[in-house]
Amino acid sequence: EAGVAQSPRYKIIEKRQSVAFWCNPISGHATLYWYQQILGQGPKLLIQFQNNGVVDDSQLPKDRFSAERLKGVDSTLKIQPAKLEDSAVYLCASSHTTGIPNEQFFGPGTRLTVL
Amino acid sequence: AQSVTQPDIHITVSEGASLELRCNYSYGATPYLFWYVQSPGQGLQLLLKYFSGDTLVQGIKGFEAEFKRSQSSFNLRKPSVHWSDAAEYFCAVASYTGRRALTFGSGTRLQVQP
Repeated sequence: EAGVAQSPRYKIIEKRQSVAFWCNPISGHATLYWYQQILGQGPKLLIQFQNNGVVDDSQLPKDRFSAERLKGVDSTLKIQPAKLEDSAVYLCASSHTTGIPNEQFFGPGTRLTVL
Repeated sequence: AQSVTQPDIHITVSEGASLELRCNYSYGATPYLFWYVQSPGQGLQLLLKYFSGDTLVQGIKGFEAEFKRSQSSFNLRKPSVHWSDAAEYFCAVASYTGRRALTFGSGTRLQVQP
């Protein structure tokens, strides 16, 4: 079974530029999560999708971050404009809706550096 | 709101020694509890999980964890550490209902001395 795929793995941008990250979850997983992991901290949830609907985006900075999951499969996370404090690893995870609750499988992450 | 505390930021142990990583959680009901490991440049890998039943759970790579409701703890243990266990370890909690996303602790970095 293929795991969660993310691209790019690394990205360096200047502040005020825009950037987009892509995630392809495990096949059949209805729930998709985006987490932000700042250096030295644990991951923090940004947004959670159930199929193509948003379950929770309460911690997403909506003035600059946006995310979508068209067709309930792939997802993109965008930052526009980026700030220095957005430097972090962005992790995508997916899980089944039913069965073992909340066992989330993580992708390798995208490391973003904002200069 | 649920939260997780990992009091040890950094731990160093000798190879072959035993290991215990501490985790305390705050949650209003019986939680779902997890331990994940993250090696440099890698995503998070699930070591073990507790949902209900036996309070001592076994995981991969020889790890185990014990859920103690009275202490709100879910400490991770390994009887003999290998050099390849050097990594960052995260404890996480999730609720039964609602958003079900994970709330992570700040992590414990494990170094293994030869």
